[in-house]
Amino acid sequence: AQTVTQSQPEMSVQEAETVTLSCTYDTSESDYYLFWYKQPPSRQMILVIRQEAYKQQNATENRFSVNFQKAAKSFSLKISDSQLGDAAMYFCAYRRSRNNDMRFGAGTRLTVKP
Amino acid sequence: EPEVTQTPSHQVTQMGQEVILRCVPISNHLYFYWYRQILGQKVEFLVSFYNNEISEKSEIFDDQFSVERPDGSNFTLKIRSTKLEDSAMYFCASLGHWANYGYTFGSGTRLTVV
Repeated sequence: AQTVTQSQPEMSVQEAETVTLSCTYDTSESDYYLFWYKQPPSRQMILVIRQEAYKQQNATENRFSVNFQKAAKSFSLKISDSQLGDAAMYFCAYRRSRNNDMRFGAGTRLTVKP
Repeated sequence: EPEVTQTPSHQVTQMGQEVILRCVPISNHLYFYWYRQILGQKVEFLVSFYNNEISEKSEIFDDQFSVERPDGSNFTLKIRSTKLEDSAMYFCASLGHWANYGYTFGSGTRLTVV
């Protein structure tokens, strides 16, 4: 079974600083996708960034980037120049390519301090 | 930008009653999902739906649950006899042809069983 582990229930960062959220996963598949979703207090699930396992290059979306270590099955999210609006729950998610069911980690609550 | 629409946003129901949660996925999407999130907990997979049938379901999705796509646009989740532990946020999601994209989630229905 595929499992996703987020070992940090809570993290905090000073505004304008950088923070890294950790995620590890367990799979025997070689082809899959990884995602980070943001859930603000409104509870809407918002896609932040995605990574295809066959790509060696780490994905980047503006202030958000990932460190994808396939051999270590690690997929961390780095948020640079943190803003107050980044405060939210962040969920790491895994999806096999053979089907499309996504599995989520337990989430990390990020607080941004002004 | 296309959206997944869920109604109602909040529903309160008495234990033992039937509820139907409604979703309108993005029109050209092919895969449809229901997830739930009990307050403060992880996002859990319930069921996936493709080509007018269930493609996968979790152990949570027991005989009390059913899904339907009655008219080619709506995608519904029915809970036949609600229990207190069914209280949660229910998210609908859809996915298009390009499987490497993340799901598009609806804004959720908060179900409260009293």
